[in-house]
Amino acid sequence: DAGVTQSPTHLIKTRGQQVTLRCSPKSGHDTVSWYQQALGQGPQFIFQYYEEEERQRGNFPDRFSGHQFPNYSSELNVNALLLGDSALYLCASSRDRGFTGELFFGEGSRLTVL
Amino acid sequence: QKEVEQDPGPLSVPEGAIVSLNCTYSNSAFQYFMWYRQYSRKGPELLMYTYSSGNKEDGRFTAQVDKSSKYISLFIRDSQPSDSATYLCAMSLGIGTYKYIFGTGTRLKVLA
Repeated sequence: DAGVTQSPTHLIKTRGQQVTLRCSPKSGHDTVSWYQQALGQGPQFIFQYYEEEERQRGNFPDRFSGHQFPNYSSELNVNALLLGDSALYLCASSRDRGFTGELFFGEGSRLTVL
Repeated sequence: QKEVEQDPGPLSVPEGAIVSLNCTYSNSAFQYFMWYRQYSRKGPELLMYTYSSGNKEDGRFTAQVDKSSKYISLFIRDSQPSDSATYLCAMSLGIGTYKYIFGTGTRLKVLA
């Protein structure tokens, strides 16, 4: 049973560029959340997708956008990259039916902005 | 003031010791409390979750929540070198939201 998979694992961009990160949720999960984890910090909630719609959003600017596809996979897009966007981007999946506390994280995509 | 405060450590203990990890929080509306373990360059792995106040035990791990003091703890008994990792506490308002608020994490090193 594959867990949450993310791609790419590492990438380097320059300021002003755009990036797309991808996530496939754990089998049987239909809800995807994205988190940003800066070095030495805890993850910060970016947004959550369910039924192909953004359901909840954290304190991130509109440069951060996302999408969920009919197969529940998801993308995170970041436009006009800033140095401060350098971080580990984590995708987490869960089942929206009820709340079990079980948010499963992927290994993350490490973004470096130069 | 951050919503969730956690001592970043590092915390070094000898193998076999009992480890106590703690978080304090300011939002009394939090209902669910989680502990995650994160190895270097890996994603967080859920260890424990509790609802409201009380204790929960799972093997060598015990989670405690004291809502009156806005304080949660994770105890690790008979600690092993493989427990060396960063431990993150997380909290949420409840059903229907996956907006977790995480602490900064405590780095733990268990010495053989």
